[in-house]
Amino acid sequence: EAGVAQSPRYKIIEKRQSVAFWCNPISGHATLYWYQQILGQGPKLLIQFQNNGVVDDSQLPKDRFSAERLKGVDSTLKIQPAKLEDSAVYLCASSLVLGFGSPLHFGNGTRLTVT
Amino acid sequence: DAKTTQPNSMESNEEEPVHLPCNHSTISGTDYIHWYRQLPSQGPEYVIHGLTSNVNNRMASLAIAEDRKSSTLILHRATLRDAAVYYCILRDVGTGGFKTIFGAGTRLFVKA
Repeated sequence: EAGVAQSPRYKIIEKRQSVAFWCNPISGHATLYWYQQILGQGPKLLIQFQNNGVVDDSQLPKDRFSAERLKGVDSTLKIQPAKLEDSAVYLCASSLVLGFGSPLHFGNGTRLTVT
Repeated sequence: DAKTTQPNSMESNEEEPVHLPCNHSTISGTDYIHWYRQLPSQGPEYVIHGLTSNVNNRMASLAIAEDRKSSTLILHRATLRDAAVYYCILRDVGTGGFKTIFGAGTRLFVKA
């Protein structure tokens, strides 16, 4: 099966600019996650969707970050305006179902550098 | 949220078994134990998961303590390609505790 696809692979922007990341999960996977991974740390969950509804966005900085999952398939994560501390790898993951021990499948991420 | 504790790093020799420990003393009865690993410049990769019984797959074995407060990921013969950061996390099977929280993980070094 095809894996989780993310684009772009790399992005460099200046602070206060906007940026968007795209994710296409594995076909049929109902649950989609966005994680932020700062260098040297484990991934931090930003938002979690079940189909096209938000299950948890408690760690998402909503003043600058937004995410949507239209039609319960692809998802977009946006940052506006970006800050220096947003420099990180943004990982998208999907799982077949919510809970029930269902494994997460990750994409290779988008590396964002904010200058 | 239930949390896990892992050593920061471990070292192994190639072709030898590796035992990666994880403590999860606040685990609840419905939490599954998952292991993932992350190679450089890649997203985390699923390795194995279990609930109560020990589990084996083509990549590794998972040994779960009887009280479920700790577990051990076993790589039977380490290779240089197993050098990665290994994460032990808990996933709730119920309607609460959706969060899948990663810690800092254990960085495994494999010597030739």
